[in-house]
Amino acid sequence: EVQLQESGPGLVKPSQSLSLTCSVTGYSITSNYWGWIRKFPGNKMEWMGYISYSGSTSYNPSLKSRISITRDTSKNQFFLQLNSVTTEDTATYYCARSTPFAYWGQGTLVTVSS
Amino acid sequence: DVVLTQSPATLSVTPGERISLSCRASESVDTYLHWYQQKPNESPRLLIKYASQSISGIPSRFSGSGSGTDFTLSINGVELEDLSIYYCQQGNSLPFTFGSGTKLEIK
Repeated sequence: EVQLQESGPGLVKPSQSLSLTCSVTGYSITSNYWGWIRKFPGNKMEWMGYISYSGSTSYNPSLKSRISITRDTSKNQFFLQLNSVTTEDTATYYCARSTPFAYWGQGTLVTVSS
Repeated sequence: DVVLTQSPATLSVTPGERISLSCRASESVDTYLHWYQQKPNESPRLLIKYASQSISGIPSRFSGSGSGTDFTLSINGVELEDLSIYYCQQGNSLPFTFGSGTKLEIK
């Protein structure tokens, strides 16, 4: 069974970087596409980007140059880094296997606040 | 970006009703349109993929239809456990986008 689990700090200060890890079991990240999605307060959902089976990436242009998705195939993990965060980056962050998104992590709430 | 417009924003229902939720795309997404259900404090769950394909383990009362720009999610006989937010998502072009959701409430 494919399982994903996010981990990382729940509180980040404005202007700092947000870093999350997605640990995958039951399926190799060297197959398929693996993405990050966030849900804002008020229920809006935003696709942030993905990393492919080959390691190539694609990002939502709305995040411009702030985002980076990388991976460690030896640990079957992939990572999200979002730089220069503001309070508007407060959201629940999900990792998921893409697309359609059939498998999701449980989500982790990240609050940006001083 | 492809904008997905879901309607209605909120739908009040009576258990046992047959209901339809709409998702309209700002440009054609062919059949690369997927539906998700999200209950409070849970992750989204894939209900329907590629507009009309069923998903193993999802009750048969859920069905999808449409292509191009107009899509519908139908629930044939709403149950109390279906009270959730429903999202559509397009996977035809990058960036992938989601609709704003339809919230199902009890009348």
